[in-house]
Amino acid sequence: NAGVTQTPKFRILKIGQSMTLQCTQDMNHNYMYWYRQDPGMGLKLIYYSVGAGITDKGEVPNGYNVSRSTTEDFPLRLELAAPSQTSVYFCASRYLAHGDYAEAFFGQGTRLTVV
Amino acid sequence: RKEVEQDPGPFNVPEGATVAFNCTYSNSASQSFFWYRQDCRKEPKLLMSVYSSGNEDGRFTAQLNRASQYISLLIRDSKLSDSATYLCVVRGSGGSNYKLTFGKGTLLTVNP
Repeated sequence: NAGVTQTPKFRILKIGQSMTLQCTQDMNHNYMYWYRQDPGMGLKLIYYSVGAGITDKGEVPNGYNVSRSTTEDFPLRLELAAPSQTSVYFCASRYLAHGDYAEAFFGQGTRLTVV
Repeated sequence: RKEVEQDPGPFNVPEGATVAFNCTYSNSASQSFFWYRQDCRKEPKLLMSVYSSGNEDGRFTAQLNRASQYISLLIRDSKLSDSATYLCVVRGSGGSNYKLTFGKGTLLTVNP
């Protein structure tokens, strides 16, 4: 049972490059999220999705894009990478029908450095 | 007031100690509350949910005070393996019920 899988685990980008962070879950969860975590800071929500074909912005969406063509996959696209996007990125999923206390499951994270 | 605010820490305690973490939240309409644990350079994982009546799981006790908008986590008989960052998490209500807001976390180090 894989849970939430993120790739790559590490990446170094040059300023202005683009990349896609991949996230897939095999638990048939409807909600999926992308967070970033900077040192000493809490997780900040970038984008979220309540189901296939539906995405919306979180607190810090600038510089990112997402798509959700299937229930399983929720890739995060970085266009024109900037040093401010150096961070650890976490993908997460939840199944809302599990009620108010539905657990969020996280991927192992992607450590991104923009130089 | 920040949406979710935690004790800044860090906490350094000896094995066997009892340690308590506090958390406050700003939105009185918030629906659900959790404590997550994050080991160094790892992803967050659910430690326990926090129910209105309070709940206990082994050495861990969570309390919720809705009137004061306050959540706590008590760890008794600390183990070396309890060393981690503890994240207070609040789920929104209504149109924000998708939203999980995380505190910055409190780092706990349990020393031999």
